[in-house]
Amino acid sequence: DGGITQSPKYLFRKEGQNVTLSCEQNLNHDAMYWYRQDPGQGLRLIYYSQIVNDFQKGDIAEGYSVSREKKESFPLTVTSAQKNPTAFYLCASSIGSNNEQFFGPGTRLTVL
Amino acid sequence: GQQLNQSPQSMFIQEGEDVSMNCTSSSIFNTWLWYKQEPGEGPVLLIALYKAGELTSNGRLTAQFGITRKDSFLNISASIPSDVGIYFCAGRGSTGANSKLTFGKGITLSVRP
Repeated sequence: DGGITQSPKYLFRKEGQNVTLSCEQNLNHDAMYWYRQDPGQGLRLIYYSQIVNDFQKGDIAEGYSVSREKKESFPLTVTSAQKNPTAFYLCASSIGSNNEQFFGPGTRLTVL
Repeated sequence: GQQLNQSPQSMFIQEGEDVSMNCTSSSIFNTWLWYKQEPGEGPVLLIALYKAGELTSNGRLTAQFGITRKDSFLNISASIPSDVGIYFCAGRGSTGANSKLTFGKGITLSVRP
């Protein structure tokens, strides 16, 4: 069945290490997004991609990087430059950039 | 950039009660979305609205696109314990920075049995 998958569900890393979060969708959606969620906060956009091999910075891109080599996949790397990486990370996709976004189950990253 | 205001941050109701939430924007939007998020999960789309004045239902949920295009409302009727979660509104305008989807901070709903 179609959907968006994120793996792993929980991720622990030591401070100073880069870590890559996976996001895959089989909905044939063109646009994909990464959000960060902190307690009591709304969703803040990190990066988005409207088409393969193209992506743009969102509101809080510093310390993060992405790639979009395949339509189905939009991995997010949290680099050691991200000062406060512990958060819940959500991936989403939409048919086009002006359509409703559908979310994956999220990855909770804890940096120790 | 534009902001979406959802308040209060938390709501507590008794099972069986109806509850209303609203979301206001500093900008005019042409799309309003309502999502529900359960603990540790991603948000799930409940209702999408595309036209000022539009009223759309999804089971016990009803949402409206405000006629000023700066607000939207979500009503839940006859609440049940599984309605517990965080309800987010999201909106999008048509030009520039306003064309990106903006989320409210969410309202945490608790339902007492």
